[in-house]
Amino acid sequence: DTEVTQTPKHLVMGMTNKKSLKCEQHMGHRAMYWYKQKAKKPPELMFVYSYEKLSINESVPSRFSPECPNSSLLNLHLHALQPEDSALYLCASSLRAGHTEAFFGQGTRLTVV
Amino acid sequence: AQKVTQAQTEISVVEKEDVTLDCVYETRDTTYYLFWYKQPPSGELVFLIRRNSFDEQNEISGRYSWNFQKSTSSFNFTITASQVVDSAVYFCALSVTYGNNRLAFGKGNQVVVIP
Repeated sequence: DTEVTQTPKHLVMGMTNKKSLKCEQHMGHRAMYWYKQKAKKPPELMFVYSYEKLSINESVPSRFSPECPNSSLLNLHLHALQPEDSALYLCASSLRAGHTEAFFGQGTRLTVV
Repeated sequence: AQKVTQAQTEISVVEKEDVTLDCVYETRDTTYYLFWYKQPPSGELVFLIRRNSFDEQNEISGRYSWNFQKSTSSFNFTITASQVVDSAVYFCALSVTYGNNRLAFGKGNQVVVIP
């Protein structure tokens, strides 16, 4: 099983809403990632968790709040987003952080209205 | 700093033609890893290959082949006898040994295979 599952697949939210994106993997990977991807651009790294601890925050605004409840789950809590935050949010996992191959989910296509 | 350049933005080919995607990378590290990912319209990035800097062997997997040349800092990808299902965006990426868990992605190549 090389699957990373993300829910929901699509999300429309208002600027005053609070919502969460969820990501799950059962490959025994100990590194999990959030990426943001705008149309026709490469993915941009947001956060890295290594052994359930946040190891990298790429200066992401505090309206994005990651959480790693256990080694299989990764959440991204969203609050007071702006329309420019509309994008594809991709979750990924790898055996360990660094240079092992990462496996990506299908993403959540987020629209902020 | 690491940098990956994929110069061709969109490439259109007729089905059954071969297509080669160029990837040129820059890094000062002597140990690094190169990757190719495929992103179909559905959105997920599909891992295709990982190559470390000490392994310059070329690789073939079905209709896919990769040519790694350290002398020119290139890691090119060829799809032989392209099919419509190959239509996707292909990203080349680089990660280095020290300091981070980041993949530096190129801008991607949009491949359109015309039936």
